[in-house]
Amino acid sequence: DAEITQSPRHKITETGRQVTLACHQTWNHNNMFWYRQDLGHGLRLIHYSYGVQDTNKGEVSDGYSVSRSNTEDLPLTLESAASSQTSVYFCASSEPFQAGGRDTQYFGPGTRLTVL
Amino acid sequence: RKEVEQDPGPFNVPEGATVAFNCTYSNSASQSFFWYRQDCRKEPKLLMSVYSSGNEDGRFTAQLNRASQYISLLIRDSKLSDSATYLCVVKDTGGFKTIFGAGTRLFVKA
Repeated sequence: DAEITQSPRHKITETGRQVTLACHQTWNHNNMFWYRQDLGHGLRLIHYSYGVQDTNKGEVSDGYSVSRSNTEDLPLTLESAASSQTSVYFCASSEPFQAGGRDTQYFGPGTRLTVL
Repeated sequence: RKEVEQDPGPFNVPEGATVAFNCTYSNSASQSFFWYRQDCRKEPKLLMSVYSSGNEDGRFTAQLNRASQYISLLIRDSKLSDSATYLCVVKDTGGFKTIFGAGTRLFVKA
C-alpha cells in the first residue's frame, strides 16, 4: 500500500544545530508539504513543492529550507535550530485536481522535535 | 481575523448525542472545503469533503453556506470513538493555498 513516512519520529537537539527531518511518500504525488503544529495555531505551512526542483515558501518559512530532487522525498532542514522551533512537524502529499487527483492531502505520522 | 475560525471547544457530549461544529472562513473566493479528523498525537486524516449541496456519510453530515461563509459538521448518534479534534480546511481557487483551522475538540463520554 502507498504511504507517507517521516523520520525520525522523535528528535531532541540543541540550539544552533542543523537538523534535517525526512519525508518519503510512495503515492507518486507531485505535491508535497511541510507543516508545523502548535497549540492554539493549528497547522501552519512551512514549505511546499509542486514537483521535482520546485520549492515554495509557506507562511512560516523563516529558519527552514527544503529541496526536492525526486518525486518521493522532501527533506526539511532547520539551518540553526531555535527553541521556538520546538513543535510537531507533519509532512503531507497530494495529487492536484489538474492531474486528475482529488487534491486530498495525506499526512505522515509526524516528527516531534524538541530544541533545548 | 483568522482566515479560518473554529470554536476550540471542548465539546463534552454523552454517547448517542448529536453534536454540531461550525467553521467560518474569510476568503469569499474559497473553492474547496473539507473536514479532517485528528486523534491525539496522530496525523490529521480526511473525514469528508464538503460540497455545495451538502453531503452525508453515515452519521456525519457536512453543509456549506457560501453566502455566510461557513461550513458545518453534524455528528449523529455519537460514539466513544468519535472523540478527536475536528479540523476545518479551506482551499482557495485552484487549490494553491490550503488553510487549516485550529480545530474543535470533541469528547464523547459513556
